[in-house]
Amino acid sequence: DAGITQSPRHKVTETGTPVTLRCHQTENHRYMYWYRQDPGHGLRLIHYSYGVKDTDKGEVSDGYSVSRSKTEDFLLTLESATSSQTSVYFCAISESYSGGRNTGELFFGEGSRLTVL
Amino acid sequence: DQQVKQNSPSLSVQEGRISILNCDYTNSMFDYFLWYKKYPAEGPTFLISISSIKDKNEDGRFTVFLNKSAKHLSLHIVPSQPGDSAVYFCAASRVWLTGGGNKLTFGTGTQLKVEL
Repeated sequence: DAGITQSPRHKVTETGTPVTLRCHQTENHRYMYWYRQDPGHGLRLIHYSYGVKDTDKGEVSDGYSVSRSKTEDFLLTLESATSSQTSVYFCAISESYSGGRNTGELFFGEGSRLTVL
Repeated sequence: DQQVKQNSPSLSVQEGRISILNCDYTNSMFDYFLWYKKYPAEGPTFLISISSIKDKNEDGRFTVFLNKSAKHLSLHIVPSQPGDSAVYFCAASRVWLTGGGNKLTFGTGTQLKVEL
């Protein structure tokens, strides 16, 4: 199993409070991603990182920010949580796709369930 | 706008029979396709992938078929086993555009139930 740890695994918070989810990897992979999973939407990309301090937006980035100060850590922050951000959040990592030995697949963490009341 | 679609939210098959899960996409620029399996309370796990230069890829009981002209891919599981019961997501990307990273676009998932 890929060494990916998400914390916290479960969190209940109130509308308007800040929340930070942490993803920690021990694989030294270059790429890291945050996805959210919601019924009827599958998994949607929030933000991703292609190196330390290098991040970019995904398809549902509004209301979220990220930071990556070390290769192994990728933080997702909700500055002011809203009920629409109630979801299961997954961190993922990947190596560079080489077309050869590795298939470029993403390895996912176990998820963080966030409930915003 | 859903670029990757899985129109069947659920599928039920008997143990030992074939399971066929379908996926359609609209973006002709996608060049890499993957299937993931997800059990409850766990993260998705990679199952099998296929590049757009191929039309079939096989790995044990799992085969993925790609029909580029129809923008359609399917996952065949033969024979199906009770442990295959899970949600299956198809995903697509333009891997070369991202310079090595892989921004996957996922479908909404199909819940497969394999019955004894």
